[in-house]
Amino acid sequence: QSALTQPASVSGSPGQSLIISCTGTSSDVGDYNYVSWYQQHPGKAPKLMIYDVSNRPSGVSNRFSGSKSGNTASLTISGLQAEDEADYYCGSYSSSITLVFGTGTKVTVL
Amino acid sequence: QLQLQESGPGLVKPSETLSLTCTVSGGSISRSTYYWGWIRQPPGKGLEWIGSVFYTGDTYFNPSLKRHVTMSVDTSKNQFSLKLNSVTAADTAIFYCATFSQGSVANYWGQGSLVIVSS
Repeated sequence: QSALTQPASVSGSPGQSLIISCTGTSSDVGDYNYVSWYQQHPGKAPKLMIYDVSNRPSGVSNRFSGSKSGNTASLTISGLQAEDEADYYCGSYSSSITLVFGTGTKVTVL
Repeated sequence: QLQLQESGPGLVKPSETLSLTCTVSGGSISRSTYYWGWIRQPPGKGLEWIGSVFYTGDTYFNPSLKRHVTMSVDTSKNQFSLKLNSVTAADTAIFYCATFSQGSVANYWGQGSLVIVSS
């Protein structure tokens, strides 16, 4: 089971919107609505930002939203802020491995 | 709100067994619908799910690590543990304990414990 594919890095200016993609297969992202997204600041533990494709846990800003089409899930960050600069990982339930993570994306706020 | 805290040696010799414990507070490990599990992250690299255990002892492991992993739950201490045997330098990583809900969502995470495999 290979990791889900994410772009290595994306960047944007404050106030802009960013989209991070997460591409899997029909055995994970494509077959289950169990895609989650995690934010990780340097030296910190990851934090759940989105679960079940598009649901936000309590306390997570509504600037973060998720969606899915076929084998690709996406995380959108609207109104980009300096504090959003971090690494982001997607995760998906998989029929073969239970949980597979993405390769990770570094978000830079210019 | 659940809180998780990893503990264990920070240095393990090659070919030996890595042992970590996660202590849960803010809720009972046996009254929860969560699975309890471990994720690791080699320095500067991505996340890898290791496995999960339910309070009944049911376990699920990453197939790539299954031969080397043991997990267990101690409900009397509200703890669960990880053992990874025959470690090599490639097992050097930050190990996180976490809760998992339906769909393998990692809801709560410990702060992480760096384990270095070196002689």
